[in-house]
Amino acid sequence: DAGITQSPRHKVTETGTPVTLRCHQTENHRYMYWYRQDPGHGLRLIHYSYGVKDTDKGEVSDGYSVSRSKTEDFLLTLESATSSQTSVYFCAISESGRPDTQYFGPGTRLTVL
Amino acid sequence: SQQGEEDPQALSIQEGENATMNCSYKTSINNLQWYRQNSGRGLVHLILIRSNEREKHSGRLRVTLDTSKKSSSLLITASRAADTASYFCATDGETSGSRLTFGEGTQLTVNP
Repeated sequence: DAGITQSPRHKVTETGTPVTLRCHQTENHRYMYWYRQDPGHGLRLIHYSYGVKDTDKGEVSDGYSVSRSKTEDFLLTLESATSSQTSVYFCAISESGRPDTQYFGPGTRLTVL
Repeated sequence: SQQGEEDPQALSIQEGENATMNCSYKTSINNLQWYRQNSGRGLVHLILIRSNEREKHSGRLRVTLDTSKKSSSLLITASRAADTASYFCATDGETSGSRLTFGEGTQLTVNP
């Protein structure tokens, strides 16, 4: 998985609790992305980062925030988790902007009860 | 909204047969990529085709792009059980920057 780790790999939490997912890369790539994958929707972009402290919203950003204080780490936070945020979350990285291959982490399965 | 839509949603074939998956998209693109996802894993890049290219090969993979029909196809020749996976197309366009828009995927099962 191209030097990308995600933690935790599995998490079960309750509605209303805050959750933070971490993506860590060892490739020194500039771009990092957070996607969610749900049946019938494919992968949808939540937020992405084009450099340290530079982030922007994706297609489904409501209820999520991100931070990138170091090149290697990109954090996704659910301030108050809801059942609709039960999903598999993937982090991806790319070396440059378009066009470019994205390399994906192994995913985090999040269940919100 | 999803840019790419794969067809069929699921495909089951025998080992040795060819598998063809199609992707249609709505707006003009710069590039189209295909990714594979094995069960429980992240996506893996297979091939990228630019909007000015019509066909590209990589090993047993053949990708075609028809920008007039806004569609692409992925052909896997002489399939193997190890090709069993979900396959996704992803596009980027003039205004998408580094962002990709993924389709919903085709689930390919290759029976030994």
